[in-house]
Amino acid sequence: DAKTTQPPSMDCAEGRAANLPCNHSTISGNEYVYWYRQIHSQGPQYIIHGLKNNETNEMASLIITEDRKSSTLILPHATLRDTAVYYCIVRVGRASGSARQLTFGSGTQLTVLP
Amino acid sequence: SAVISQKPSRDICQRGTSLTIQCQVDSQVTMMFWYRQQPGQSLTLIATANQGSEATYESGFVIDKFPISRPNLTFSTLTVSNMSPEDSSIYLCSVGLEDEQFFGPGTRLTVL
Repeated sequence: DAKTTQPPSMDCAEGRAANLPCNHSTISGNEYVYWYRQIHSQGPQYIIHGLKNNETNEMASLIITEDRKSSTLILPHATLRDTAVYYCIVRVGRASGSARQLTFGSGTQLTVLP
Repeated sequence: SAVISQKPSRDICQRGTSLTIQCQVDSQVTMMFWYRQQPGQSLTLIATANQGSEATYESGFVIDKFPISRPNLTFSTLTVSNMSPEDSSIYLCSVGLEDEQFFGPGTRLTVL
């Protein structure tokens, strides 16, 4: 699985958009970009994933650059409950034919400030 | 989605003893994963557990230290054997469904 690089920490004002960057310059054509977050003392929670098109769900938007070497997770209106460590993970999708474990990097500690 | 429960949620154990952590899933899954999260660190995969076969361990983890059972498609156990303070961590089980992966709440282990 391709390695990812994220800033170790970021702050965001409550109610503002939080934009979390991730670099994955060695991503392969069949690898997806996944985002998870881990709120303190809880298990990681799936947020969103994508291959090459931008994706949006009820939690967040995922913007993937055209060359797929980087992406940005956007939380449109951050709340205090969004304070967590956010992990950007690259791995092959289900179409690879086997369930794959996730390889976690260090992630970004997002702190939403009141 | 999948709902995963773990028991115990936390424990404090003495050096040299063993602890078995249980993981229960509300649906049948082929593969279950066990992760460790040491204090202040990210998650590290310990092993992958298939029903009906021996678990596959990652580099640095061995079966004698972390024996795993997978008796059916909804349940697994991880044992932390002959514990030392370095084993103090959060242990999480996880399952893959479709394109997502779901995690249990974790078991917080402190070894004195």
